[in-house]
Parts: sequence; structure tokens; C-alpha cells
Amino acid sequence: QPVLTQPPSSSASPGESARLTCTLPSDINVGNYNIYWYQQKPGSPPRYLLYYYSDSYKGQGSGVPSRFSGSKDASANTGILLISGLQSEDEADYYCVIWPSNAHVVFGGGTKLTVL
Amino acid sequence: QVQLQESGPGLVKPSQTLSLTCTVSGGSISSGGHYWSWVRQHPGKGLEWIGYIYYSGSTYYNPSLKSRLTISVDTSKNQLSLKLTSVTAADTAVYYCARVGLTGTFDYWGQGTLVTVSS
Repeated sequence: QPVLTQPPSSSASPGESARLTCTLPSDINVGNYNIYWYQQKPGSPPRYLLYYYSDSYKGQGSGVPSRFSGSKDASANTGILLISGLQSEDEADYYCVIWPSNAHVVFGGGTKLTVL
Repeated sequence: QVQLQESGPGLVKPSQTLSLTCTVSGGSISSGGHYWSWVRQHPGKGLEWIGYIYYSGSTYYNPSLKSRLTISVDTSKNQLSLKLTSVTAADTAVYYCARVGLTGTFDYWGQGTLVTVSS
């Protein structure tokens, strides 16, 4: 199973933007995969936020504000979750997910986002 | 609105079999168009995919658990189940069931159930 690398923690102030990253191993090209993002708050199950393949192929979860968006940095082989206009309620753990070609599922280790 | 609810023993002894059931309401497992999955979360840790099943019975398992794992569906009861044999303390976790759309999104989740493996 490939390993998706997420920074353990990140922080930003209200109103700012938070850029959360998910780095794929070098033998998996981020350009070939949907990157899914989930939010989890303490004591709750994960919540689907969005997936991103390209600007032409992406999807937003039901009720998820547009200030949550996805992108990729091909040079870094990384998927990105951008949260703009950060709010205190955005403080949570965030997980990226891919479905490698063998039909399995891989979760990243998660990033704990703190809103200062 | 689809709802999922996990149920099963909260305490399992080492070497025994962990058995959980997920009851689905607001939608039919046998209607197709979705996979049904189990995901777990060790205390204070990240999410780990366990496996998923289609209503037809096709299954896909995490290779690290495959030798001990069985996921099945009972379409008459609109339930999916998980059996994990020969458990150890390392299997202590919150276990979630989730619906997976064909686009790969885990769009509906149960609230999760904590299973502790201890003598």
C-alpha cells in the first residue's frame, strides 16, 4: 500500500488561508489520481469535503462551502486542500485519500489544523 | 437521507473474533451504485481502510488485514458485517461503516463504535 504523507499539524489565523498538503510517493503520479479530502472533528465521523483531479474534473461534497477547494502541485507530486477565509469551526483533522489502481483505498496520516 | 449504524460487542478478548454489524436505513444496499465499507481509527490516530463490498458480494480487503478479515452483506436485512479473527490489542479502534459512491467518495458514515481488545 502506498503511503500518503501529510504534515501532522498546521495552523493559521481566522480569515487567513490554510494550505494542507498530501504528498504521494514518487512511484505514483499525482496527475493520474483523484485526491479526496475529508474533515474530522473530535468525537465525530469523517465528513467528505471534495475531490480534485483537475480544474475540469472535481467535485464538492453536499453542503461544503466553496471556500474549501482542491488543487495539485505536479512538481511536488502533491495534492492540496485550500481553505480560504478560515473560521474557528474549521479546526479539525483533515485526511487525504486516493484509490490506487488496484482498487484499494489509502488514507493519509492526517493533518491537525489549528485555527489560532 | 441514508443513515448507517454500527453495532456489536465493545469488548473482545485477545485471539477471539471481532464481529460487527452495520445497519443501513434510508437506502437499499441491493439497489447498486455504491460500495459499502469499513474503516477504523486507532485511539488518537488516523483512519485506516479495512475493506469494502458490493451488494453482489465482491469484496476488496486491505492487504494487511486480508488473512483475518471477512466482510459480507445481508440484503434481506439491509446490513453489512465485519468479522476479524485472531484479534490483538492492536485491533482496538473505533470502527466505522461507510457508503462509498462509484466516484470513490465515502459520502455517508456511521457514528462509529469503539471496540476494545482486552482480557
